[in-house]
Amino acid sequence: TAGITQAPTSQILAAGRSMTLRCTQDMRHNAMYWYRQDLGLGLRLIHYSNTAGTTGKGEVPDGYSVSRANTDDFPLTLASAVPSQTSVYFCASSSSEAAGVQFFGPGTRLTVL
Amino acid sequence: GQNIDQPTEMTATEGAIVQINCTYQTSGFNGLFWYQQHAGEAPTFLSYNVLDGLEEKGRFSSFLSRSKGYSYLLLKELQMKDSASYLCASMDSNYQLIWGAGTKLIIKP
Repeated sequence: TAGITQAPTSQILAAGRSMTLRCTQDMRHNAMYWYRQDLGLGLRLIHYSNTAGTTGKGEVPDGYSVSRANTDDFPLTLASAVPSQTSVYFCASSSSEAAGVQFFGPGTRLTVL
Repeated sequence: GQNIDQPTEMTATEGAIVQINCTYQTSGFNGLFWYQQHAGEAPTFLSYNVLDGLEEKGRFSSFLSRSKGYSYLLLKELQMKDSASYLCASMDSNYQLIWGAGTKLIIKP
């Protein structure tokens, strides 16, 4: 099984442009998460979804939006990218019963110029 | 505020034992989790503790003291493939993980 996939692998984006990072899991996990990882900092939660149809804000939600139309997909959208959004973005999923045991996608490396 | 502290970098020798410490302060506590992350890759789950004491899992063990807000990850019989960053994360009252910045472990032959 694929587990959890992300696309694209990497992207260079001009400031002010919009972009959607895709995330798909085939483990039928209820919970999904978007994190960003920056050098010297821990993973920071952007948005999460405990189940299809619901989403919540994490620690650093500003400038990002998400949707959860079904169990498998959890796209992250940057409406108008800024250079401070340059980061590595990880999508993760977990079962509801074991929320701390998260399975991560391979990540998207985003550079905003 | 919420805070997770762990050393930035550690060096150890192949075949030896290393202990990576983590102290945490989160609003609420629902478990302490350890993940491994090789350079350029995604984090992968290693172990977790909810109750005080030692959890052993092969060459890796993790310890928790809730009264001290302290955990450690113990790696035995170190192998070169253990060179990676080790991430400590505490689950808060909202069942969200609060992550440390990670400890980069360098293994020397």
